[in-house]
Amino acid sequence: NAGVTQTPKFRILKIGQSMTLQCTQDMNHNYMYWYRQDPGMGLKLIYYSVGAGITDKGEVPNGYNVSRSTTEDFPLRLELAAPSQTSVYFCASSYRPARQETQYFGPGTRLLVL
Amino acid sequence: AQSVTQPDIHITVSEGASLELRCNYSYGATPYLFWYVQSPGQGLQLLLKYFSGDTLVQGIKGFEAEFKRSQSSFNLRKPSVHWSDAAEYFCAVGPIINTGTASKLTFGTGTRLQVTL
Repeated sequence: NAGVTQTPKFRILKIGQSMTLQCTQDMNHNYMYWYRQDPGMGLKLIYYSVGAGITDKGEVPNGYNVSRSTTEDFPLRLELAAPSQTSVYFCASSYRPARQETQYFGPGTRLLVL
Repeated sequence: AQSVTQPDIHITVSEGASLELRCNYSYGATPYLFWYVQSPGQGLQLLLKYFSGDTLVQGIKGFEAEFKRSQSSFNLRKPSVHWSDAAEYFCAVGPIINTGTASKLTFGTGTRLQVTL
């Protein structure tokens, strides 16, 4: 049981490039989330999903896109990378809504946009 | 809108000393309350959570937290800190009433704990 896995661990992008951050969970959780963590700040919710085929915006969705074709996978897409997207990205999952349930976090992806 | 305040950005304690990390929240009603810990280079791990009932909640690794409604606080405590407790600690709140979104879990900005030997 690997829990929540994320790839890559670290990536450097040039401004305007695109990339996909991968997230997979093997706990059969319905709910999945993407957060970004900036220095000195708490986690900010980017997007979330309540099940395969269903996604919705969080607090800071601009510049990102997601899809949820399977229960296990929840990739995050950056289309035109900007320096403001330099951050650490965490994927998380939970069996029930995060507001009332334990979230399980992946180890994070550190992204640097230059 | 709900908000969480962790007034201490950085705390240093000696190993074996007691610890208290502060968390204050702003919300119209009693929310769900969580404490998460993030070790260096790792994702967040749940320490404990409060939904209702006994206001003193026990968590993993010897941590406990006390919900005080009158003070809108949910402070985290540990009687004797170990060097391995050095990490960043996040308080989070979530609404009891379903707002129509799956999460709306609001995190504080975190408190970094340093433990000296």
